[in-house]
Amino acid sequence: SAVISQKPSRDICQRGTSLTIQCQVDSQVTMMFWYRQQPGQSLTLIATANQGSEATYESGFVIDKFPISRPNLTFSTLTVSNMSPEDSSIYLCSVGTGGGQPQHFGDGTRLSIL
Amino acid sequence: AQTVTQSQPEMSVQEAETVTLSCTYDTSENNYYLFWYKQPPSRQMILVIRQEAYKQQNATENRFSVNFQKAAKSFSLKISDSQLGDTAMYFCAFTLNYGGATNKLIFGTGTLLAVQP
Repeated sequence: SAVISQKPSRDICQRGTSLTIQCQVDSQVTMMFWYRQQPGQSLTLIATANQGSEATYESGFVIDKFPISRPNLTFSTLTVSNMSPEDSSIYLCSVGTGGGQPQHFGDGTRLSIL
Repeated sequence: AQTVTQSQPEMSVQEAETVTLSCTYDTSENNYYLFWYKQPPSRQMILVIRQEAYKQQNATENRFSVNFQKAAKSFSLKISDSQLGDTAMYFCAFTLNYGGATNKLIFGTGTLLAVQP
C-alpha cells in the first residue's frame, strides 16, 4: 500500500491564525481525502481533493475555512484558517486508488488552538 | 443517506479470548464495501479487514473475521486469541461502490476495545 507522510504531526496554534497541513504520497493516487476527528469522536469527511480542480466539500465545511490544494497526483494541502478552539482536532489525509481498494491514512495532525 | 451504527462504546476482553464487535448500517444501495479500521493511541488508522457486499463469503484476515449479514445490514468483527496489541478504538466504515472510483468513507462512532492481561 502507499506510504503517506503527513506534516506536521502536531501543532499548538494561537486563535485567529492559520495552519497548513501537508500530505505527501510515495506513488500517484487517484483520490485524496481530508477528514477531521474531533476529540473522542469519529472521523468526518471535510472534502475530496481533486487534482487540477477545486476540492469537493461536504455539508458543513466551506472553502474559506478549509482551503485545499492538490497540484499533482502525489501531494495535497489542507489549510485551517482563522482558527478557534473548536478547530482543535486530529486532521487526517487518506488516499484511494479506486476499484474498491480501501483508503489508507496518514498518521494525522493533532491540532490544538489556545 | 447512509449511516453506520456501533452500539458498543467500550468493550473489554481477556488476553487470548475471543471478542465480537457489532456494527449495523443503513443504505438503500446494493453495491458497496464495508471495512473495519483500528486506531491505537498512536492515532494511526489501520485497515483491519474489508468485505465486498456482493460476496456472500465472510472475509478473514488471520485472527480477524467478520460476520456479514447483508439482509440484516449487519457487519460484526470477531477477534480471536486477543492480544494486548489489539487494544485500540475500532471503527466500522461504509463506502459505496460506483464508477470504479474510491468514494468517501462513512464511519461509525467507534468501539474502544481494551485487552486485559
